[in-house]
Amino acid sequence: DAGVIQSPRHEVTEMGQEVTLRCKPISGHNSLFWYRQTMMRGLELLIYFNNNVPIDDSGMPEDRFSAKMPNASFSTLKIQPSEPRDSAVYFCASSFFLAQPQHFGDGTRLSIL
Amino acid sequence: TQLLEQSPQFLSIQEGENLTVYCNSSSVFSSLQWYRQEPGEGPVLLVTVVTGGEVKKLKRLTFQFGDARKDSSLHITAAQPGDTGLYLCAGWSLGNAGNMLTFGGGTRLMVKP
Repeated sequence: DAGVIQSPRHEVTEMGQEVTLRCKPISGHNSLFWYRQTMMRGLELLIYFNNNVPIDDSGMPEDRFSAKMPNASFSTLKIQPSEPRDSAVYFCASSFFLAQPQHFGDGTRLSIL
Repeated sequence: TQLLEQSPQFLSIQEGENLTVYCNSSSVFSSLQWYRQEPGEGPVLLVTVVTGGEVKKLKRLTFQFGDARKDSSLHITAAQPGDTGLYLCAGWSLGNAGNMLTFGGGTRLMVKP
C-alpha cells in the first residue's frame, strides 16, 4: 500500500519566493496534518484537517503560511513570501480519524537562501 | 497552552544497557502515542496507550501510561544500535476548543556498539 506521499523531497529557493509543498494522504484517511521540524524547535504541528475542513490552524506561524485541502486526496502548504527562518523539514501525516495513529510522509527539506 | 515534557533530551549509551524515557504533562490525555524517527524519514508509530495504568510491550520496549493519564514512559531493555533514533511522545486531549494534539520535544537516543 502506498504511504503518505510528499513532494518535492527537497526544495532550495531564494527568500521572497513562493513555496508550495504537496501531500497525498493515504486513501481512506479522513484526517491530515502538517508539521514543521527543526533542531531548535522540534516537531511543531502547524495545522490539521478533518474531512477536508481545517480544524486547528493555531500552529501556523504567520499569515505568510496557508494550507488548503481541496479534496480528500490532496493538500498543499504554501509559504509566500518565504524567509530564511522558514528553512526546516516539513512533514505531512494522515490518519483514519482524529486521535488515531498517524502515518507520516518522508518530508520535504526546505532551504530558503 | 499544553506542554508535554520529554526527558532526557539526549541519551548516549552502550549496547546492552537499559534506559527509560519519560513524557510528563499536567494535562490529562485521552490517548498517548510513541513514535520513533530515523534520519531522513518521518516518525513511525510504535504504540498507542489509552487506559490509565496500561502497560504494552513491543519486544524489548515497554510502554506505560500513568494511572492519571498525564504521563508515560518508554523503557528499553538491552539496547541495541538499531534502537538509535529520535523518540517522540504525542498526546491527544479534549479541550474547550475540541481535540488537541501535543508532541513532546523528543529524546535523541544513540546506542554505541
